[in-house]
Formats: sequence, structure tokens, C-alpha cells
Amino acid sequence: SYELTQPPSVSVSPGQTARITCSADALTRQFSYWYQQKPGQAPVLVIFKDTERPSGIPARFSGSTSGRTVTLTIRGVQAEDEADYYCQSVDTSAADFSDTYVVFGGGTKLTVL
Amino acid sequence: QVQLVHSGAEVKKPGASVKVSCKASGYIFSDYYMHWVRQAPGRGLEWMGWINPKNGDTKYAQNFEGRVTMTRDTSISTVYMELRSLRSDDTAIYYCARLSEYWGQGTLVTVSS
Repeated sequence: SYELTQPPSVSVSPGQTARITCSADALTRQFSYWYQQKPGQAPVLVIFKDTERPSGIPARFSGSTSGRTVTLTIRGVQAEDEADYYCQSVDTSAADFSDTYVVFGGGTKLTVL
Repeated sequence: QVQLVHSGAEVKKPGASVKVSCKASGYIFSDYYMHWVRQAPGRGLEWMGWINPKNGDTKYAQNFEGRVTMTRDTSISTVYMELRSLRSDDTAIYYCARLSEYWGQGTLVTVSS
């Protein structure tokens, strides 16, 4: 299996842009997903398939890729964005899902100063 | 709407087993894999495995092989996760999730003598 590496923490001031990276050590990368988790709550999907945004997620959240690194960008950060963020992908060697493992990054705590 | 409803909190002694349930509604149960993810206090998300509700096939993370069993009861649209030989570091919230979009509220399992 492979690992996803995230910075432990990112700090930004309100209105600024936060960028959270997630690096995969695999040679081939599958789609990535991003979750936001606030204290005492279950994770919430904010980006899927690298760049897609679920309905109901503000447009200030976006995803991008470059090689083996994916990035979650939050433009115009608001106080309510303070949370832990996790990237997630899959480790698969099968054409179907039968030999697929799910991998989470270690999480990044976003602090809004 | 999709809902995943967990069984209630559990307190177990070291060496015991725990079985957590997750009842799904709002979609065709057999059409989507169900995953289990846990989160120890103050720690990140840890994927445990998945079950295919259609045929009962499972895939477990290496960290849990031999100690976890995931099952389902299609008649009541419920999946189960049993973890054996509990240790204090198994204390965590256990989530079922229809990755990537839907998560249950989680079940807190506390392992303490």
C-alpha cells in the first residue's frame, strides 16, 4: 500500500488563501478526495475526483493536481473554515474494486488566525 | 435522503470483542460498497476495510487482518463490524461510510479495564 503525506498544520488570516497539499508516494495516482472535519462531527466531502465540488460546498473550495501532489485551495478563508482536512485516495491493482484499499492522509489542521 | 445510523456507544474490557452496526436507508443497499473508518481521540482517520453488500465480499486493511470481520444483513439493510481482542488503543469513534459522500454519525467504542 502507499502513503499520502499532508502538512500537520496550515495557518492563514481571514480573507487570505489557504493551500493544503497531499503527496502520494505511488508512481501512479488515482483520484483524490478531500474531507473537512470539525470537532465532534463526521467528515464532510468538499472535493471529489481531484477537482469536483459537491453541491452545497462553497465555490471558494477547489482542488488541483500536479504530478503526484494534489492541493486543496480555499480562497477567501472564513473563520468557519477552521477545521481538520483529510485527503483520501485508493490503492488498487485491479480493474474492478475487488483488490482496492483506501488510503487517508494524516490530516492538516487549518487555523484561521 | 441517504442515512447511515449507527448503534450506540460501547464500553469494553481489554481482550473482549465489540460488534457495531450501521443501518442504511434512502438508497438501494446492495448497490454500494460500505466502508468502516475509525478515529482515535485526537488522531486522524484510519480506514479499516469495506464490504460489498451484494455478495458479502470484504477487503480489510493490513492493520486489522485477523482481528476484524465485516458482515451484512440485506433484509434489514445493515452492515456490521466486529473487532476482537480489543486493546486500549482501539478506543475510537468507528464510522461506517458510503465513500466518499455519506458518513454515519459514528459509534464511540471505549476499551478500558
